[in-house]
Amino acid sequence: ETGVTQTPRHLVMGMTNKKSLKCEQHLGHNAMYWYKQSAKKPLELMFVYNFKEQTENNSVPSRFSPECPNSSHLFLHLHTLQPEDSALYLCASSQVGRGTEAFFGQGTRLTVV
Amino acid sequence: DQQVKQNSPSLSVQEGRISILNCDYTNSMFDYFLWYKKYPAEGPTFLISISSIKDKNEDGRFTVFLNKSAKHLSLHIVPSQPGDSAVYFCAASPQMNYGGSQGNLIFGKGTKLSVKP
Repeated sequence: ETGVTQTPRHLVMGMTNKKSLKCEQHLGHNAMYWYKQSAKKPLELMFVYNFKEQTENNSVPSRFSPECPNSSHLFLHLHTLQPEDSALYLCASSQVGRGTEAFFGQGTRLTVV
Repeated sequence: DQQVKQNSPSLSVQEGRISILNCDYTNSMFDYFLWYKKYPAEGPTFLISISSIKDKNEDGRFTVFLNKSAKHLSLHIVPSQPGDSAVYFCAASPQMNYGGSQGNLIFGKGTKLSVKP
């Protein structure tokens, strides 16, 4: 079992659909993150959760709605997305209070049609 | 404006030779730097890091050098192996906040390394 697991791995959705991405970490970390990787762009931090509290939202449109019910699970709820939102969405976790690196999941490849 | 820049989108190296990947940053508040490696269809995996109080960190075949005055860091892989072929991302973290979390990372666009047998 990998440290950070994301489901689904691939998702195709229409612009009127509602879907959710799920992330689960088995590392005992207390911080979780959503990143977005678009074609020919660097990885972009979207949301940060520390101890289940959202501490950062990097000007992400409201059609992306994160949820962190506990320190092991993180969701990204998607609704009325645009084709330009098609990207690889990566979840990561780390341990606050120690200088550890972030561990990433394998990502969800999202295509909005 | 990009705060972390990897100006070489690709690099090709012969097996057994040295690979040098470069990264520049603009924000002097960055105090922790990391290199990640990414294979297709996988998430980035941590490779090596360096704190701003050091100028070199070595781990096996991988060495990271930091030149703070030039705001430049580099990753050296020697000897390079075909299995090293991947995209390498440079990332930087601002001064520790939230008790030292290293997940608030600013990434470069990556450099695709190809190691030829």
